[in-house]
Amino acid sequence: AQKVTQAQTEISVVEKEDVTLDCVYETRDTTYYLFWYKQPPSGELVFLIRRNSFDEQNEISGRYSWNFQKSTSSFNFTITASQVVDSAVYFCALIASGTASKLTFGTGTRLQVTL
Amino acid sequence: DGGITQSPKYLFRKEGQNVTLSCEQNLNHDAMYWYRQDPGQGLRLIYYSQIVNDFQKGDIAEGYSVSREKKESFPLTVTSAQKNPTAFYLCASLGTGYNQPQHFGDGTRLSIL
Repeated sequence: AQKVTQAQTEISVVEKEDVTLDCVYETRDTTYYLFWYKQPPSGELVFLIRRNSFDEQNEISGRYSWNFQKSTSSFNFTITASQVVDSAVYFCALIASGTASKLTFGTGTRLQVTL
Repeated sequence: DGGITQSPKYLFRKEGQNVTLSCEQNLNHDAMYWYRQDPGQGLRLIYYSQIVNDFQKGDIAEGYSVSREKKESFPLTVTSAQKNPTAFYLCASLGTGYNQPQHFGDGTRLSIL
């Protein structure tokens, strides 16, 4: 069985602060993919990034960066210089090769960025 | 533009009533999914379909039914057997390859009258 844990239920930061959202996963499969999605107040889920289990390179995209560590089963997401528009719920998700394309989601972290 | 359309945006159900949530996609995706979102519980899979005329139960299928008669459409019926239907429902689709990101609609918020 797959499991994704996002221990941080809610985080509040002031604009321009850096913030890291934690994601820890469990799976027995050796081939799997991890995703981060953003859910703004409008409700739709917006895809941010995908990482496969064989690629532990960290990635930076503008103010966003992701740190994937298989040794600790973690796939953390950092926003640098946060902005009010970053306020949303962020979900980490996992899919393994033998699961018929079924995503397992974490419970989400609500990020509130204030002025 | 290609995407997923869910309707209605808001829906109210009376006791004992069945209601149907619509999900249409023009992405030519084979697989489609229905998720339920409750506060603090993330997204849970209700039903999914990997091909037309075939669908499987997800983790919380009781009280729900689906059909997949056309590739573009995957409607979800919330039956009267679902005793706690108040939630946010999201539909998603997936193209070729399980490792691709799923595309999501804007969701339908269902409430009990």
